[in-house]
Amino acid sequence: DVKVTQSSRYLVKRTGEKVFLECVQDMDHENMFWYRQDPGLGLRLIYFSYDVKMKEKGDIPEGYSVSREKKERFSLILESASTNQTSMYLCASSLIIGNQPQHFGDGTRLSIL
Amino acid sequence: GDSVTQMEGPVTLSEEAFLTINCTYTATGYPSLFWYVQYPGEGLQLLLKATKADDKGSNKGFEATYRKETTSFHLEKGSVQVSDSAVYFCALSGKSGAGSYQLTFGKGTKLSVIP
Repeated sequence: DVKVTQSSRYLVKRTGEKVFLECVQDMDHENMFWYRQDPGLGLRLIYFSYDVKMKEKGDIPEGYSVSREKKERFSLILESASTNQTSMYLCASSLIIGNQPQHFGDGTRLSIL
Repeated sequence: GDSVTQMEGPVTLSEEAFLTINCTYTATGYPSLFWYVQYPGEGLQLLLKATKADDKGSNKGFEATYRKETTSFHLEKGSVQVSDSAVYFCALSGKSGAGSYQLTFGKGTKLSVIP
């Protein structure tokens, strides 16, 4: 089974802090994704990556950046956290070929105070 | 662009009732279609998928048929259980501008099953 592991289930940070969310997958998937999930808005794509050191903006990239130095690891960075970034963050991975399903981690519930 | 519309919840059913969650989509080309389920406090899990027209995906008693003529992928289960209480997401897979495949999700439908 594919395993996508997010480093923290719950995280509390302060406004203005630089925040790192880490995600690791163990199935050699080329694609990795970061979403945020908010009530009434569903899942929204922040960034994705289809290869090491490659990244593409999703629907809501403002205020975020990403890093993919190794194939198995994809990091989401909040450069200067703000209260409107309080949310559930979900990482996912998939094979690059064809219309393959994405496999999700358990999510990180981030609160910015 | 691609879009997915699913019925709004919440949906509350009694145990053993029949479940239908409607999902329709707009997409170019021939996307694959998915249903994901999210149990409380967890991430999303793939429930079932269909990759071409008239395919039926099934898993754990849930079924959905890819209907190209009505651009629909409705989720059904004949007899729900309390353990089916969760949020269900319909999604389609289509190519992004960068050439890789992305999922477009519906907003989710919360299902509560009461004993």
